[in-house]
Amino acid sequence: GDSVTQMEGPVTLSEEAFLTINCTYTATGYPSLFWYVQYPGEGLQLLLKATKADDKGSNKGFEATYRKETTSFHLEKGSVQVSDSAVYFCALINTGTASKLTFGTGTRLQVTL
Amino acid sequence: GAVVSQHPSRVICKSGTSVKIECRSLDFQATTMFWYRQFPKKSLMLMATSNEGSKATYEQGVEKDKFLINHASLTLSTLTVTSAHPEDSSFYICSAYPGQGRTEAFFGQGTRLTVV
Repeated sequence: GDSVTQMEGPVTLSEEAFLTINCTYTATGYPSLFWYVQYPGEGLQLLLKATKADDKGSNKGFEATYRKETTSFHLEKGSVQVSDSAVYFCALINTGTASKLTFGTGTRLQVTL
Repeated sequence: GAVVSQHPSRVICKSGTSVKIECRSLDFQATTMFWYRQFPKKSLMLMATSNEGSKATYEQGVEKDKFLINHASLTLSTLTVTSAHPEDSSFYICSAYPGQGRTEAFFGQGTRLTVV
């Protein structure tokens, strides 16, 4: 079945540091890939998405590129802020699964001054 | 557009009572909604798929008699936790898809259930 693997957290960075959160996936067909962010006590918000190979999703300074050859969708940001502290979830939808999202385990990011 | 509203955001109930959580799509119709449960510092576990006008589809290991789902209209799905116990305490989140070519799901704000 489909699966998403994320790097273990927590990730602790100083403000303005470079961020990478690794995400790899296993899926049949051609899934769409997503990053969702969850701030403390809240639901999930879509951060960015990519629907086909080599697409780059970007939003609020975050970027991720759909790499089919490495089955990866790593999240990057050049300079993190304290307000980026949250849990980040990598996820996929496979068109054959009735729109069920398959989530990774989530990576907690803590940014300090 | 594509707003999903979940209510209540927090609820505390006594053991043995039932709690209803509502999930509404505010600006689109959703024939399918999804209910997730999130344990502390864990990922989201899909509980069930809510289908408008028909029975919900439950994931393996989820008790359908305990977690009652009703999707009575194209904009409302409800999750009722029946005879709640402390181990049901968790964060419950719903999601829905606006369709119309959009592949991303939109999530409610979540409901923190505490059973005492």
